[in-house]
Amino acid sequence: EADIYQTPRYLVIGTGKKITLECSQTMGHDKMYWYQQDPGMELHLIHYSYGVNSTEKGDLSSESTVSRIRTEHFPLTLESARPSHTSQYLCASSEGLAPDTQYFGPGTRLTVL
Amino acid sequence: AQSVTQLGSHVSVSEGALVLLRCNYSSSVPPYLFWYVQYPNQGLQLLLKYTTGATLVKGINGFEAEFKKSETSFHLTKPSAHMSDAAEYFCAVREGDSSYKLIFGSGTRLLVRP
Repeated sequence: EADIYQTPRYLVIGTGKKITLECSQTMGHDKMYWYQQDPGMELHLIHYSYGVNSTEKGDLSSESTVSRIRTEHFPLTLESARPSHTSQYLCASSEGLAPDTQYFGPGTRLTVL
Repeated sequence: AQSVTQLGSHVSVSEGALVLLRCNYSSSVPPYLFWYVQYPNQGLQLLLKYTTGATLVKGINGFEAEFKKSETSFHLTKPSAHMSDAAEYFCAVREGDSSYKLIFGSGTRLLVRP
């Protein structure tokens, strides 16, 4: 069973607010990922990290930023939230050895009014 | 480039009936293949995965999938559907060891009728 946590689970905020979505894992995985998922749609990779101080943008352009100061922690920040950011955000981590299975957190459902 | 196609955005079965969710992939190298399940307001849970070796893979909750290289398919089956199987199912492919990326299909919502 994978131990990966996301907080908050639900967030409703007003336009222009700065928010940080938290993601932590206790498995010691070097690789971590952020996906964006609109209702009934596939997942799109927006950020990933190979390890501490390593972050890269994914396939889907995003106005969010990430940091990786500690192995277990991979927060995502929106400096100024807009209604277009309304979505579900899923964090994942992977073991690094083939097949590098990704394990997911429960997600944060963000609504920007 | 690798891609995943899931045929049928919605599949409806009766309780006790066979479940068949279809997944076709394209990959230029031997792939790693995954099935995930997502319950409402939850993250994704790994059902099963194919790496190498035996082409019939068994997963949790009675699900299994068969890798067919000639058909580039990895269909998910379960002999007898339960009401608790109602969820969204995602097929995903990773193109060997050279890529970090996991490419997801668009998902299939399974509905189970009483």
